[in-house]
Amino acid sequence: QKEVEQNSGPLSVPEGAIASLNCTYSDRGSQSFFWYRQYSGKSPELIMSIYSNGDKEDGRFTAQLNKASQYVSLLIRDSQPSDSATYLCAVIDFGNEKLTFGTGTRLTIIP
Amino acid sequence: EPEVTQTPSHQVTQMGQEVILRCVPISNHLYFYWYRQILGQKVEFLVSFYNNEISEKSEIFDDQFSVERPDGSNFTLKIRSTKLEDSAMYFCASSPEERAGVGKETQYFGPGTRLLVL
Repeated sequence: QKEVEQNSGPLSVPEGAIASLNCTYSDRGSQSFFWYRQYSGKSPELIMSIYSNGDKEDGRFTAQLNKASQYVSLLIRDSQPSDSATYLCAVIDFGNEKLTFGTGTRLTIIP
Repeated sequence: EPEVTQTPSHQVTQMGQEVILRCVPISNHLYFYWYRQILGQKVEFLVSFYNNEISEKSEIFDDQFSVERPDGSNFTLKIRSTKLEDSAMYFCASSPEERAGVGKETQYFGPGTRLLVL
């Protein structure tokens, strides 16, 4: 059974600080990695995708991938109250099309 | 910016009834997906659809489920005889035809249909 693991939280971070979200995956065949944000009662909204080892930055967001450790993370700099949401890690395996999601980490930014 | 749209936003039905959930994927996308999320649980893959046929399906997607692309814009999920445990948010997603490499698809989600089976 392929698994994507996330700490469910809640993770509380003061406004303006860096929020760090982590995800591990069980299948070494995983090729593509995504972070989605989901507000309560809403659909997943794509934040970042990453395919190669290392860091990828987009505005306040940085995704980090370490395939050897089967680990992907998301850093949110200068956290804002609007960043309060559940962050979903998802992977796609080589040759497949489906996203396998983790349970998500609930992030709360404290003003 | 193009978006995936879904109708209805909410659907209440009686157990045993048939429901059809509708989606309009992003217009230049050719890969389509259905996912569901039971309240408080993770998002789960149901089925993917490409070139007018199912390309992959999960064990959840049994004989009570079917998908169809009846015209050039709509993509539907039919649940033939709903059960209480089908109550969930159902998300449609789509991704572009071009593949930068296998597994590099990015899927864009619609707003979802909240299905409640009584």
